[in-house]
Amino acid sequence: DTEVTQTPKHLVMGMTNKKSLKCEQHMGHRAMYWYKQKAKKPPELMFVYSYEKLSINESVPSRFSPECPNSSLLNLHLHALQPEDSALYLCASSQKSPGQVYGYTFGSGTRLTVV
Amino acid sequence: KQEVTQIPAALSVPEGENLVLNCSFTDSAIYNLQWFRQDPGKGLTSLLLIQSSQREQTSGRLNASLDKSSGRSTLYIAASQPGDSATYLCAPQGSNDYKLSFGAGTTVTVRA
Repeated sequence: DTEVTQTPKHLVMGMTNKKSLKCEQHMGHRAMYWYKQKAKKPPELMFVYSYEKLSINESVPSRFSPECPNSSLLNLHLHALQPEDSALYLCASSQKSPGQVYGYTFGSGTRLTVV
Repeated sequence: KQEVTQIPAALSVPEGENLVLNCSFTDSAIYNLQWFRQDPGKGLTSLLLIQSSQREQTSGRLNASLDKSSGRSTLYIAASQPGDSATYLCAPQGSNDYKLSFGAGTTVTVRA
């Protein structure tokens, strides 16, 4: 299995809703990432998990809450989002060992629309 | 902060032409560099990964070169096909923080 699987593929949510995005990989990768991509822009890093611990938070608003329950699974919990948070949310993973990081594998993304 | 520039921003060619996509980056302290393809509204597909110690990498019709000291990488696509139409993203990975930095991409259209 050489894929990163993201669910759902599409999500429409109201500003008062709570929803979660899910990301799963079975490649044994120990680093996992959330990216946000607005239309016609490059992806922007949100969070990095390394060995199931949050290692980087790129000053993301608290209405986005990441979680890494185990080495294969990464969630992004969403609450009280704004319409400007509408974007494609991408999950990625990479192999990581002490002092070494390898290429990234991306999922197909969740298209989020906040109404 | 790593700044990545991709030139040209867009490219339209007839089928069969060879494509040359350029990428420059400001910080040469990179661990590796990946080229990705992105179709509209889709995720990123990794095309090639070049380690910082390598000069080039090849896969089928794709060839990528890396000149780390001058902060440049070039992606060559031979004998282009309509199916090559997509946005191509260059992403050097920092050797200190292992973060990927993305360029804005080159959008390629191959006309049949």
